[in-house]
Amino acid sequence: DADVTQTPRNRITKTGKRIMLECSQTKGHDRMYWYRQDPGLGLRLIYYSFDVKDINKGEISDGYSVSRQAQAKFSLSLESAIPNQTALYFCATSTGDNQPQHFGDGTRLSIL
Amino acid sequence: GENVEQHPSTLSVQEGDSAVIKCTYSDSASNYFPWYKQELGKRPQLIIDIRSNVGEKKDQRIAVTLNKTAKHFSLHITETQPEDSAVYFCAAGEWRALTFGSGTRLQVQP
Repeated sequence: DADVTQTPRNRITKTGKRIMLECSQTKGHDRMYWYRQDPGLGLRLIYYSFDVKDINKGEISDGYSVSRQAQAKFSLSLESAIPNQTALYFCATSTGDNQPQHFGDGTRLSIL
Repeated sequence: GENVEQHPSTLSVQEGDSAVIKCTYSDSASNYFPWYKQELGKRPQLIIDIRSNVGEKKDQRIAVTLNKTAKHFSLHITETQPEDSAVYFCAAGEWRALTFGSGTRLQVQP
């Protein structure tokens, strides 16, 4: 089945380390998104990309960067991790305007 | 930017009762309103969505209503079952991106 795959599923690391979270999809969707989920705060948009050459900041992009290596791959990086970036991170894809977003299983990131 | 408020944050109902979750949004340009269900430890999954040219949409036990004038939309679940227990998120957006509400934890008591 076509899907959205996130790696790793869990990661524990230390303050100051550089971390990369990866997302790949076999859905053939052009649009990809990175969200952060914290208890009681819902899903907040970090970055989104409409194609390989189009990357946009979301609501909470500070401290994060992204790379769209191909239509199917969208990576999120934390250049120097800090404890308040501990959260559950989701990647999502969609086909276009006003279309459903399809989520991956998430990466649980803990920064000590 | 868009701001979405969702109420209540928790909701407990008896099996067979109805549940209603309400959301308000701030940006009149928003024209797409999906609802997602997230079970414990799982990914959010779309359960129903509505676009601004429609006032109501129904899919079996689930319905969504939209009032664009008042900028609010609601999720209605009838004949609730224990498997409906989950966190539900509303969202609002235009062509670019979605803004999510903070979620409602629904507990259906057997």
